[in-house]
Amino acid sequence: DTGVSQNPRHKITKRGQNVTFRCDPISEHNRLYWYRQTLGQGPEFLTYFQNEAQLEKSRLLSDRFSAERPKGSFSTLEIQRTEQGDSAMYLCASSLGLAGVYEQYFGPGTRLTVT
Amino acid sequence: LAKTTQPISMDSYEGQEVNITCSHNNIATNDYITWYQQFPSQGPRFIIQGYKTKVTNEVASLFIPADRKSSTLSLPRVSLSDTAVYYCLAVAGATNKLIFGTGTLLAVQP
Repeated sequence: DTGVSQNPRHKITKRGQNVTFRCDPISEHNRLYWYRQTLGQGPEFLTYFQNEAQLEKSRLLSDRFSAERPKGSFSTLEIQRTEQGDSAMYLCASSLGLAGVYEQYFGPGTRLTVT
Repeated sequence: LAKTTQPISMDSYEGQEVNITCSHNNIATNDYITWYQQFPSQGPRFIIQGYKTKVTNEVASLFIPADRKSSTLSLPRVSLSDTAVYYCLAVAGATNKLIFGTGTLLAVQP
């Protein structure tokens, strides 16, 4: 297994357009997380899946954001009607979800630029 | 989740031991302390986690005193490739979501 992968690595879009990102977690990991990171800041939690169930969403995730993990494997994050403030690195992470184990494996991220 | 506080930046030289201290005065009973490392344009990478006393793995040691209000990440004999941002986090709960602060930028010089 090569770890968590994310596609695309870079996305440039015009304001108002919709974008979709994909995350493929490590195959045996049942937990999947999305984070967003802007320059000079640490990553911010967006949402979390246990298998296919979306169990928590941050208040940062406005109605324009939606995430899915249809079969409990890969996940997609869609941003509708993008705004310049959406420009950031979007990070995906996965973990085994074992009690007391807090290691998450992060992907390389998708860098979104909204012009 | 407990708020953590750590220095914004630190400087070191190759071969030295580096200790980064993090304070977490409001840590809860079931919180674990974890540390992550992040290089530019990459996702964070897990380094170590602990609850109390000392934990050591192949890359670092983590010291947590009995009152658990602080913790210290120790990196032995740093190299240039250890230049990165280091995050201290208190983690707990069923979701295990990570709440990152701004981290400590460690700059290792020759």
